[in-house]
This record gives sequence, C-alpha cells and structure tokens, in this order.
Amino acid sequence: AQSVSQHNHHVILSEAASLELGCNYSYGGTVNLFWYVQYPGQHLQLLLKYFSGDPLVKGIKGFEAEFIKSKFSFNLRKPSVQWSDTAEYFCAVNLGPSGGSQGNLIFGKGTKLSVKP
Amino acid sequence: KAGVTQTPRYLIKTRGQQVTLSCSPISGHRSVSWYQQTPGQGLQFLFEYFSETQRNKGNFPGRFSGRQFSNSRSEMNVSTLELGDSALYLCASSFQGGGHNEKLFFGSGTQLSVL
Repeated sequence: AQSVSQHNHHVILSEAASLELGCNYSYGGTVNLFWYVQYPGQHLQLLLKYFSGDPLVKGIKGFEAEFIKSKFSFNLRKPSVQWSDTAEYFCAVNLGPSGGSQGNLIFGKGTKLSVKP
Repeated sequence: KAGVTQTPRYLIKTRGQQVTLSCSPISGHRSVSWYQQTPGQGLQFLFEYFSETQRNKGNFPGRFSGRQFSNSRSEMNVSTLELGDSALYLCASSFQGGGHNEKLFFGSGTQLSVL
C-alpha cells in the first residue's frame, strides 16, 4: 500500500536555525505533494503544494519544499525559523495525474516542531 | 466567510452505540472529505463526497458510512462503536476537490471518545 514517511517525530530548534523536515513516499506513479501545518489551537492549513513543473516550490511564511523524484522525497525547508513556526507539520500525497481529487490524501504521521525563543 | 463547521465538538459514547457527526462546508464548496486522526495512526482518509456522490473511500470497515446532502452538508456515521474508534474526526471541504488552484479547508474536528 502507498505510504508517506516523515522521519522525525519531534524537532527542537532555536530561533534563526535552519529547518529541514524529511518526507518520503512510496508510489511509483504520478503524485501530487503537499505540506500542511497545524499551529497550536488552529485548523490544519495548506503550507505549499507541488503538482508539476519546477520541483522547488515556495509556500507561505518563507517555507519551501523540493521534489526529488528519484528519491521519492519532498522535504520541507526554511532558512531561519521563528518561534511562531512552532506547530505540527504533515506531509501528504495524492495519487494520480495533476488535478486529481485533493480530497483523498495520504498523510504522514506528522513532525512536531518546537522553536525555542 | 465562515469556515468549515463541525458539530458536535466533543462526544462521549459507549461501546456498541452509534454516532453521527456533522460537517458544514464553506459556502459554495461541493466537495467534502472526512479523515480520522489518532496518535498512533495519524491522519487517515475515510471518504470523499462530491455533489452527493461518494467519490473515494478509504480502507475502513463498513461500520463507517457517510452521506452528503443537496446543500453540500455532510454527515458521517459510525455504528457499533469500538474503543479503537476514539479519535479526532476531521472534515475538509473544497470547491470541487481537485485542481491546481484548489486547496482543502479543514474544520476543527469532532473529538470522539468511546468508553
């Protein structure tokens, strides 16, 4: 069965440190890739997404992610984190051609990020 | 505009009972998806509805069912509750459920505890 793996369960960083959260998926066909974020007490919300084209995608709040097809990876990065980035981050994939239903997502188990001020 | 609204916010049930959860999507959205979130399994897709038709279904037993009404509101039902059904149930809506320019909007969820 298709799956999404997020390597780190909990990451603790100091403000201004660089961030990279790993995400790997297991599926050989066409995928659409997403990162969602859940800030404390808030809803899950979309951070960024990749459907096709430039494998380096930029999202909100200075986040970016790079799709490396050969590695089945879609890692999330931010050059300098802030205390307000403290949240749980979920990688997700949607199987099928671009434009397929986003309602059917396979999520990773999430990575909690704690940023110390 | 109002976000995705899920009711009730919390529910406590006992084993063997059934439960119905409700989701009102953002106005104009026709696609509604349901997810189960637990600490052990994370977020797992239950089903997706579009224009009153089930479009996709996850790998859950038949005790889990759903429906969508003509106003796009959706309900999910779990019959014969088991302890393992204790979870946060999330609903997400979007205009059509797909496409480059679309994104899912999630609700706050219904926290179900089965005793």
